[in-house]
Amino acid sequence: EPEVTQTPSHQVTQMGQEVILRCVPISNHLYFYWYRQILGQKVEFLVSFYNNEISEKSEIFDDQFSVERPDGSNFTLKIRSTKLEDSAMYFCASSEAGDDSSYEQYFGPGTRLTVT
Amino acid sequence: GESVGLHLPTLSVQEGDNSIINCAYSNSASDYFIWYKQESGKGPQFIIDIRSNMDKRQGQRVTVLLNKTVKHLSLQIAATQPGDSAVYFCADRVGYNTDKLIFGTGTRLQVFP
Repeated sequence: EPEVTQTPSHQVTQMGQEVILRCVPISNHLYFYWYRQILGQKVEFLVSFYNNEISEKSEIFDDQFSVERPDGSNFTLKIRSTKLEDSAMYFCASSEAGDDSSYEQYFGPGTRLTVT
Repeated sequence: GESVGLHLPTLSVQEGDNSIINCAYSNSASDYFIWYKQESGKGPQFIIDIRSNMDKRQGQRVTVLLNKTVKHLSLQIAATQPGDSAVYFCADRVGYNTDKLIFGTGTRLQVFP
C-alpha cells in the first residue's frame, strides 16, 4: 500500500540554525500539506501546497517557514532560523484531490524536531 | 470561533466490547469530517470520513455518525481489539474553499483483555 514517507525521523538542531524536513508524498497525489504537533497538544495545520504554490497557510506559518517541491517526488519544509518553540513533531500529508472526490489526507510518520 | 473538541480524554473498554468516541464541533459551516487513529510515535492514520450531506457511514468494524443539529460526531468501533488502543482524533474542514483540517485534542482508547 502506498504511503507518505518522511526523513529524517528525528532532527536535533541548535537554535538559530536552518533545518529542512523532507517528505515523499504518495505518487499520484496532487495536494500536499504540513502539520505539526507539539508534544501533548493538537495536530495543527501549517500549510497546503498545490500546483507548485501555497494554497493556504496558517498564522503559524510565518516568514521563517517555506515549502518547496524541488522535483517530482519530494516536498520539503524549511525553517530558516529555528526557535525553541519550533520543537514539535512535523507531519507531512498528501491527498489525491482537494475536492470531494478524493479528499482524504494521508499522513507520514513524522519528523521529530528538537531545537536546543 | 473554530474548534473541534472531544468529550472524554480517556476511554477504557474491555476487549470485545464496542467503543464510542465522541466529538463536538462548533462551526456549522464544517462540511467534511474525518477520524484518525494515532499510535505512539506514528503519524495519524486515516480511519473513516463523512461529508455533511450524510448522517452515517460504515467501514470495517467502524461507523461514524454525524448529527448536524447538535454539531456532534461519533466513532463507533465494534468488537474492540487490543490493536485498537491508540489516540483517536476527529478533524473537520470548514467549507469547500479551504484545505486545512482542524483537529480536536484526542481521546485515548485503552483496551483491556
